[in-house]
Amino acid sequence: DAGVIQSPRHEVTEMGQEVTLRCKPISGHDYLFWYRQTMMRGLELLIYFNNNVPIDDSGMPEDRFSAKMPNASFSTLKIQPSEPRDSAVYFCASSLGRAGGVYNSPLHFGNGTRLTVT
Amino acid sequence: SQQGEEDPQALSIQEGENATMNCSYKTSINNLQWYRQNSGRGLVHLILIRSNEREKHSGRLRVTLDTSKKSSSLLITASRAADTASYFCATEPNYGGSQGNLIFGKGTKLSVKP
Repeated sequence: DAGVIQSPRHEVTEMGQEVTLRCKPISGHDYLFWYRQTMMRGLELLIYFNNNVPIDDSGMPEDRFSAKMPNASFSTLKIQPSEPRDSAVYFCASSLGRAGGVYNSPLHFGNGTRLTVT
Repeated sequence: SQQGEEDPQALSIQEGENATMNCSYKTSINNLQWYRQNSGRGLVHLILIRSNEREKHSGRLRVTLDTSKKSSSLLITASRAADTASYFCATEPNYGGSQGNLIFGKGTKLSVKP
């Protein structure tokens, strides 16, 4: 099992540019999560999917952020246009699911994408 | 607002000593999880404790949960230099049937000196 795979590991871009982050979840997992981590705010949930359908995107900061999951093995998080305050580490995580509406299995995290917007 | 708060923010101990980290939260929960994060890496799940459980063990890890005080503790016994990492608690609030999200605290940074 290769685990959750994120690419790229590092991204440096200029303000105003479009940034696309990619994630391949663990095969068979039906939940996929995008988190953002900063020193000031810690880990924030941006959006999560169940069976490729977005369930809760209330954590997405604003319309500049969008996420898609076209199939069970791939998801993208796009920022357009990017701003310096978007600089953070973005994590993708997947899990096997929820029984009775409760998290009963752990989240498996990728190693993140460190985004720097100058 | 932060659901989970770890305490202390940073902890430095010698190899072989025990390390205790605490987590307090605000709402009723379905379960509480602990994760470890090594520098530059993603979070790794350590242990999950359900709201009807009071204590759980996994190797050198011991987790307790006190729902009346809305708090949990993670004890690492006989610490090793390899335990140096940040430790996070994550809670799933119980919103009375509606889907809750897993909310992470800001973590405790543990340093174990050889």
